[in-house]
Amino acid sequence: GAVVSQHPSRVICKSGTSVKIECRSLDFQATTMFWYRQFPKQSLMLMATSNEGSKATYEQGVEKDKFLINHASLTLSTLTVTSAHPEDSSFYICSALGTSSGANVLTFGAGSRLTVL
Amino acid sequence: KQEVTQIPAALSVPEGENLVLNCSFTDSAIYNLQWFRQDPGKGLTSLLLIQSSQREQTSGRLNASLDKSSGRSTLYIAASQPGDSATYLCAVRKNAGNMLTFGGGTRLMVKP
Repeated sequence: GAVVSQHPSRVICKSGTSVKIECRSLDFQATTMFWYRQFPKQSLMLMATSNEGSKATYEQGVEKDKFLINHASLTLSTLTVTSAHPEDSSFYICSALGTSSGANVLTFGAGSRLTVL
Repeated sequence: KQEVTQIPAALSVPEGENLVLNCSFTDSAIYNLQWFRQDPGKGLTSLLLIQSSQREQTSGRLNASLDKSSGRSTLYIAASQPGDSATYLCAVRKNAGNMLTFGGGTRLMVKP
């Protein structure tokens, strides 16, 4: 139980285009989802926290107009990188917080590698 | 603000050695601490989770300890194998509804 699916796992796009990454909790309801970014050989840095039905809370230094986060349902959150540039190339990982079989769970997706040409 | 530090940043050992990875955190008021493994270009695999009330957790050749008062955790890997080569991340959680704060990771290479 408590599985999170993240899609796509890899995406290559041209500079200036927008890319959407989906994070789905498959067998539990995620009240909160977290989006992290990881640059090569660095650790995971929290970008934003999203709660279902409300606006995301962004960490300092993360542009909310560039990284649009939508958490419209208890099982889906999306991260859209708008007008992507090469410096946005990174590994993006989501995690979902919820309850599964009565237990509090925090589960990670497998990550999405974005390459902007 | 919670800061998590992992030492060493990189480690190379011959196969068969026992080794210790260190993690320290600045705010001892944590909900739990978790150790992850990350293979190159891949997502996270949870290894061990220690609740704030616990002192250690064991899984196979892995043992993680937690000393909350001193803000430290160690991950002990016994009889290391080349397949253990990966980056090991520790992360702490402030409360049940909070995100994880990650350390910088330790890149482990176990040579045959």
